[in-house]
Amino acid sequence: DAGVTQSPTHLIKTRGQQVTLRCSPKSGHDTVSWYQQALGQGPQFIFQYYEEEERQRGNFPDRFSGHQFPNYSSELNVNALLLGDSALYLCASSPLQGDTGELFFGEGSRLTVL
Amino acid sequence: AQSVAQPEDQVNVAEGNPLTVKCTYSVSGNPYLFWYVQYPNRGLQFLLKYITGDNLVKGSYGFEAEFNKSQTSFHLKKPSALVSDSALYFCAVNGGGFKTIFGAGTRLFVKA
Repeated sequence: DAGVTQSPTHLIKTRGQQVTLRCSPKSGHDTVSWYQQALGQGPQFIFQYYEEEERQRGNFPDRFSGHQFPNYSSELNVNALLLGDSALYLCASSPLQGDTGELFFGEGSRLTVL
Repeated sequence: AQSVAQPEDQVNVAEGNPLTVKCTYSVSGNPYLFWYVQYPNRGLQFLLKYITGDNLVKGSYGFEAEFNKSQTSFHLKKPSALVSDSALYFCAVNGGGFKTIFGAGTRLFVKA
């Protein structure tokens, strides 16, 4: 049973560019959350997707957008990259009935903005 | 608004000694509390959770946590630390909505 998979694992971009990160949830999970983890900090909630809709959003600008596909996989897009966007981006999945249950995390995509 | 505080950046303990990693929270309503562990360059792994019931929760790898409603705390404990327990530990809270909030993390260092 595959867990949460994310791609790419590492990438380097320059300021002003755009990036797309991808996530496949754990089998049987239909809810995907995205987190940003800056160096030395805890994960910060970006948004959550369920039934292809953004269900809740954290304190992130509109440069951060997402999408969920019918197969429950998800993408995180960041436009007009800033140096401060450099971080580990984590995808977490959960089953719907586990809204207050544990999250299953992928290994993350490490983004470096130069 | 909900929040989580982990007052210690780092906890040092000798192998075989008991360990405690502290966490306090603020949430309106009944809290759903979690502990996760992160090894270098890896994602977070779930350790244990408190939803309701017994205040002492047992989880993976011999860890346990005690929920204290009056002190709004959820400290992580282990009776006997192992060198392999050295990692970054995160406390998290969900106030019953869709968003789980994480603390800043506590680095646990277990010395042989």
